[in-house]
Amino acid sequence: GENVEQHPSTLSVQEGDSAVIKCTYSDSASNYFPWYKQELGKRPQLIIDIRSNVGEKKDQRIAVTLNKTAKHFSLHITETQPEDSAVYFCAASSAGANFGNEKLTFGTGTRLTIIP
Amino acid sequence: KAGVTQTPRYLIKTRGQQVTLSCSPISGHRSVSWYQQTPGQGLQFLFEYFSETQRNKGNFPGRFSGRQFSNSRSEMNVSTLELGDSALYLCASSLKTDAGELFFGEGSRLTVL
Repeated sequence: GENVEQHPSTLSVQEGDSAVIKCTYSDSASNYFPWYKQELGKRPQLIIDIRSNVGEKKDQRIAVTLNKTAKHFSLHITETQPEDSAVYFCAASSAGANFGNEKLTFGTGTRLTIIP
Repeated sequence: KAGVTQTPRYLIKTRGQQVTLSCSPISGHRSVSWYQQTPGQGLQFLFEYFSETQRNKGNFPGRFSGRQFSNSRSEMNVSTLELGDSALYLCASSLKTDAGELFFGEGSRLTVL
């Protein structure tokens, strides 16, 4: 089955600096890669996702890059702000027209702390 | 539009007991997935249901089971509880029939003593 590794497990950056979180996956059939943010005591929420036919996707200060050959993808947060402090999870899923999120495999999470 | 609702939010059980957790998905969502969240282990996939059918199951022992009703509400059951079952159990629903956004509930925090 799919195995997703996520690094680092903890990350502290100065406010205004950039943060990068990296994930690798094992199943070459995986073609959907979402990132979820979980603030302390709250539910995980999708912040950005990318599909395998795209190499990069941006949404304001957040970007995700995908390298299918190397089987890794990364989350980039620029101009970090205190509200970016949270745990971030990457995930990988194989999907087809007749399937749902039946087995989205998550990484173990990165605790990001923004230092004011 | 109401979000994903999980009950109970907190519960304490003792070893050997069993527990049933409930999840009401967002209206119109037919896919419901369950995850176990523990510190350091991230989100571990338990199972996923779509239109009352279990479509996939994670690597958990048979003590963990689930079902989905015709109104898409789902329950999961853990029998013969062990200390290691203490965790936050998250339910997520999805509208799409292919991979897409999961909408998580706030979870049921289970403590096994």
